Amino acid sequence: GAVVSQHPSWVICKSGTSVKIECRSLDFQATTMFWYRQFPKQSLMLMATSNEGSKATYEQGVEKDKFLINHASLTLSTLTVTSAHPEDSSFYICSAQTPGHQHNEQFFGPGTRLTVL
Amino acid sequence: DAKTTQPPSMDCAEGRAANLPCNHSTISGNEYVYWYRQIHSQGPQYIIHGLKNNETNEMASLIITEDRKSSTLILPHATLRDTAVYYCIVRVQNDYKLSFGAGTTVTVRA
Repeated sequence: GAVVSQHPSWVICKSGTSVKIECRSLDFQATTMFWYRQFPKQSLMLMATSNEGSKATYEQGVEKDKFLINHASLTLSTLTVTSAHPEDSSFYICSAQTPGHQHNEQFFGPGTRLTVL
Repeated sequence: DAKTTQPPSMDCAEGRAANLPCNHSTISGNEYVYWYRQIHSQGPQYIIHGLKNNETNEMASLIITEDRKSSTLILPHATLRDTAVYYCIVRVQNDYKLSFGAGTTVTVRA
């Protein structure tokens, strides 16, 4: 099966700092990557969709200037949480997809737990 | 605007079959039924999907009713490692968006 990794798996930062999370597809090239956020005891909410080499598409209510997404290669997408605040503390999960690859399935990373103090 | 309805939780005994229901009464003709699960503090994992025929793979079986308004995911021999939240999602196969509802929290007990 397809493997997606995330780094770091967890991070603690001070309020006002920026945090970068990496998402990599290890054994396939992902033309599209997705970023989700999950608060405790809630379901996953899609934040944005990024296609390699183009600007990300953000879901309604997600601030694009706060959550910077870069998808510079077919195996790497990054999410940068800028000027993080305690309310940004959450579980961030990425997924990767390539059309035609295994029924257009999305393969998910293990998630990154962000805690902002 | 949930497209699927699942029970919030269910328990099952280790070694027994777990039958997870899902209602999707407004499903369209070109929408597939997908099942994912999420073990605590991990990313979701794809389980199985189907259009109208029953499907089986190494993880589970998917039974879709003839009118396609409901389906059942069957874990044939539940283990403690199957404890997770199970999500039933309907979508057009080429539509990238996955809308996760609340899912069913399945607890497998020894």
